[in-house]
Amino acid sequence: QKEVEQNSGPLSVPEGAIASLNCTYSDRGSQSFFWYRQYSGKSPELIMFIYSNGDKEDGRFTAQLNKASQYVSLLIRDSQPSDSATYLCAVNSGYSTLTFGKGTMLLVSP
Amino acid sequence: NAGVTQTPKFQVLKTGQSMTLQCAQDMNHNSMYWYRQDPGMGLRLIYYSASEGTTDKGEVPNGYNVSRLNKREFSLRLESAAPSQTSVYFCASSEPFFQETAVEQYFGPGTRLTVT
Repeated sequence: QKEVEQNSGPLSVPEGAIASLNCTYSDRGSQSFFWYRQYSGKSPELIMFIYSNGDKEDGRFTAQLNKASQYVSLLIRDSQPSDSATYLCAVNSGYSTLTFGKGTMLLVSP
Repeated sequence: NAGVTQTPKFQVLKTGQSMTLQCAQDMNHNSMYWYRQDPGMGLRLIYYSASEGTTDKGEVPNGYNVSRLNKREFSLRLESAAPSQTSVYFCASSEPFFQETAVEQYFGPGTRLTVT
């Protein structure tokens, strides 16, 4: 059974701070990794994906991948109240499906 | 483009009743998926269709059936609803995954189902 683990939170950060969201996965064969954001009552939307070791930056977001440690993270710089949401980590292991973590709730206070 | 659409948005069923959730996408994607989301449980895959004409079980298929009607449409049927099937159901679509690529799944707005 492929597993994707996330701390459920909530993770509380003040506006302007860096939020760090973490995810570990069990399947060493996993090939690509996704971060989705889900606002309350809404559907998930993709923020970033990464499939090579190292960092990938997109605006205020940075995804980090360490396949040896089976660890992927998402950093949000200059956090805004509008970033308050649940962040879902998802992993693809070579088939046409994703395995999702349970999500981390992020709260950014003004 | 509407993206992924789902009907209905809300539904209340009595135990034992049946219903079909409808999903359609206009992005010409080959793969489609049905998930359920329960509080604190994340998204769990019920069934998926990697391409038109194929369907496969996901993590939690019991109590559900699916039909890939054509490339655009993928329906989920509850034959005899149970309170444990109270959940939010999301349909998604994407291109098939290939090695060393990352393909986005696009989600519909969801169906909130309550079984009493």
